[in-house]
Amino acid sequence: KAGVTQTPRYLIKTRGQQVTLSCSPISGHRSVSWYQQTPGQGLQFLFEYFSETQRNKGNFPGRFSGRQFSNSRSEMNVSTLELGDSALYLCASSSQLVRVADTQYFGPGTRLTVL
Amino acid sequence: KQEVTQIPAALSVPEGENLVLNCSFTDSAIYNLQWFRQDPGKGLTSLLLIQSSQREQTSGRLNASLDKSSGRSTLYIAASQPGDSATYLCAVSNNAGNMLTFGGGTRLMVKP
Repeated sequence: KAGVTQTPRYLIKTRGQQVTLSCSPISGHRSVSWYQQTPGQGLQFLFEYFSETQRNKGNFPGRFSGRQFSNSRSEMNVSTLELGDSALYLCASSSQLVRVADTQYFGPGTRLTVL
Repeated sequence: KQEVTQIPAALSVPEGENLVLNCSFTDSAIYNLQWFRQDPGKGLTSLLLIQSSQREQTSGRLNASLDKSSGRSTLYIAASQPGDSATYLCAVSNNAGNMLTFGGGTRLMVKP
């Protein structure tokens, strides 16, 4: 099975712009979660989608949003970019077939740099 | 609010040593605890998952234990190898769903 894929792998944007990141989960996985990783704050949960519905949301401003499509692929959007949004954005998928909280499989991440 | 702490933040050992990484969490009402490894600039690789009803899990040279009542988990690595060099992260799930709270990680260096 192919793993979790994220596109693009690298992005450079300027302050005030917006950006959309994409995540394709492992085939058959219905849960997709997004995390932000920075040197100062570590790994922080952004949100989780399950069957096209947002199931959990972290403590991030409304500039961060996401959605999930019927094929389980997910996108996250950041509007009005700030310098502090520079980070590695990681996506993870989980099958949820057996338990409500199961092993999560992470993609390679998208490295976003805001200038 | 769940908080996860990992000690030590960094560790350097000679090849062949057995070692223990520590993880503590403040809220014992967890669904599960996972250990991950992260290589520089890469995503996370799941190593072990322990359900809240379990006490330990083993995979090859890795053994993870969980003591919910004391809010602690340990990851034991036997006969360490240079290829084990990476950052090790523990994360807990407190609710139905996949919202993970991560510790800050332990950066491990195994010297040949």
